[in-house]
Amino acid sequence: DTAVSQTPKYLVTQMGNDKSIKCEQNLGHDTMYWYKQDSKKFLKIMFSYNNKELIINETVPNRFSPKSPDKAHLNLHINSLELGDSAVYFCASSQGLWFDEQFFGPGTRLTVL
Amino acid sequence: GQQVMQIPQYQHVQEGEDFTTYCNSSTTLSNIQWYKQRPGGHPVFLIQLVKSGEVKKQKRLTFQFGEAKKNSSLHITATQTTDVGTYFCAGSGAGKSTFGDGTTLTVKP
Repeated sequence: DTAVSQTPKYLVTQMGNDKSIKCEQNLGHDTMYWYKQDSKKFLKIMFSYNNKELIINETVPNRFSPKSPDKAHLNLHINSLELGDSAVYFCASSQGLWFDEQFFGPGTRLTVL
Repeated sequence: GQQVMQIPQYQHVQEGEDFTTYCNSSTTLSNIQWYKQRPGGHPVFLIQLVKSGEVKKQKRLTFQFGEAKKNSSLHITATQTTDVGTYFCAGSGAGKSTFGDGTTLTVKP
């Protein structure tokens, strides 16, 4: 059983489109995260949810909107995609906030043409 | 705000040589975690350090947390080709966790 899963694994789309990435964890964790990893491999936190509540919202454009229907799921919707959004997006989860080991999903490679 | 600097950004070594990556925080940390990301993979947790001056070992890997809890290092003895990847530190403090920019290690056989 995969602990943290993401779909899709690859996403190729045109500029201006809207797309969603889904994440699910079966670890029973309370906290979930979205990270963006650019071509230089820098890993930047975007959002963090704890028990379905938004805890961290870094400086991310309003075009990015996370949604957590329950504590096992954290989805990311992106409106009006731009070239600069091309990156690998990782979902992660941890039992508590920040102080616990984070389990990462396999990543979604988004390419905006 | 909290910043975590990691150096070097890249390190190329001959198999069998040692490797060290360093993390420095602008603020005192509650703990520091280390992750490894293999090429094409996702970050995987290696270890967490909590106490001032703590040293932990995992086979050929040695992790240290500074006395002031503002810096940390990961040292690999006698690198192997299986050690290739990007190593990230993540420092927690003041209600947030910040990843360093990572050190990408390549090992020449």
